[in-house]
Amino acid sequence: DQQVKQNSPSLSVQEGRISILNCDYTNSMFDYFLWYKKYPAEGPTFLISISSIKDKNEDGRFTVFLNKSAKHLSLHIVPSQPGDSAVYFCAASPGGGADGLTFGKGTHLIIQP
Amino acid sequence: DVKVTQSSRYLVKRTGEKVFLECVQDMDHENMFWYRQDPGLGLRLIYFSYDVKMKEKGDIPEGYSVSREKKERFSLILESASTNQTSMYLCASSLGDGNEKLFFGSGTQLSVL
Repeated sequence: DQQVKQNSPSLSVQEGRISILNCDYTNSMFDYFLWYKKYPAEGPTFLISISSIKDKNEDGRFTVFLNKSAKHLSLHIVPSQPGDSAVYFCAASPGGGADGLTFGKGTHLIIQP
Repeated sequence: DVKVTQSSRYLVKRTGEKVFLECVQDMDHENMFWYRQDPGLGLRLIYFSYDVKMKEKGDIPEGYSVSREKKERFSLILESASTNQTSMYLCASSLGDGNEKLFFGSGTQLSVL
């Protein structure tokens, strides 16, 4: 049973436009959400996170939106740059514990010049 | 700066061999994790540890064991490697104060022939 779902395996966006990556979750106990970025042959690096007490968190070109009623979050990247081409993983945690994160399968973002 | 170091970037082993993957973190983090990443499957949790000599099974522990004799070191052991254990293995750590942000190493690409 997949608790964190990223339904788009890949996404192609033109440089300078907005990239929107989506993530859905099923576990109502999740209350902390993160996005990670991964280049080939490297470990994932933390990008941005959001707690369930918020519905939006912004960090430079990256904004994460959380819709708790729909169990949906999205990552917006604007403007998209060539260096943003990578695999993006959505992750979730029930918080407060040490059980690690539950990850989605990832979305491969390709920024086209 | 936060550092999680995995001993090998690439490893080639034969079926039936015992394999050790080593991970060291220098951040005095309480929690450590082993994930594997496979195309189309995302990151899946194998084992984690929230204290020295403590270990907990993740989602896919079969065929693996772990050891945490010191706080900074977390080892993943494949008792008898099989071809279906060919994968990218990622070690991670987190502070352990309820903050679930994971810091990842660069990964070990293991090929079992």
